[in-house]
Amino acid sequence: QVQLVQSGAEVKKPGASVKVSCKASGYSFTSYYMHWLRQAPGQGLEWMGIINPSGGRTGYSQKFLGRVTMTRDTSSSTVYMELNRLTSEDTAVYYCARAGTRDGYNFFDHWGQGTLVTVSS
Amino acid sequence: DIQMTQSPSSLSASVGDRVTITCRANQSISSYLNWYQQKPGKAPKFLIYAASNLQSGVPSRFSGSESGTDFTLTISSLQPEDFATYYCQQSYNTPLTFGGGTKVEIK
Repeated sequence: QVQLVQSGAEVKKPGASVKVSCKASGYSFTSYYMHWLRQAPGQGLEWMGIINPSGGRTGYSQKFLGRVTMTRDTSSSTVYMELNRLTSEDTAVYYCARAGTRDGYNFFDHWGQGTLVTVSS
Repeated sequence: DIQMTQSPSSLSASVGDRVTITCRANQSISSYLNWYQQKPGKAPKFLIYAASNLQSGVPSRFSGSESGTDFTLTISSLQPEDFATYYCQQSYNTPLTFGGGTKVEIK
């Protein structure tokens, strides 16, 4: 079965960087794009960007351009999301989510368990 | 960016009730609308794509419909496991955006 397993919780100081991993299993890793999203405490969901595990091409939300980098390692079926210059407003649960597609429609069909990133001095 | 507005933001209902949640887009998104269910402390679960197509394994008491830029998620007979927060999401263009969520609570 499809599984996305993310790295553990992180505590970072303002100005630091964080790198979250998402290891995929149960399907062909390079056949599905992967998204990253986040959810601040008590808030809704926010899309950050997408990566094509096959060629590594990425697309980022304008909000995070210049501050986020998504990469992948095909040898370990893992995608990574690095966010720089952290502030307290980046405190959130970060999710990877597989990009499903059917009949030309796209959706997030499988999700990682989430990684809590806390930014605090 | 496409704005998605959900209503209500919360509702109280009893087991067996019919529940309707609405999501409105501020521009045409055709049928590029998905629905998700999220329980506290858990990742969202994918329910419906293309406004009205049930994901495999999702109970048939869930249904979706559309009328122009208005979309509806209906739970025909609320079950105890359905108490959760529901989000709509447009996949028409990037940035992909979500509604603010509707929390379904026990009456």
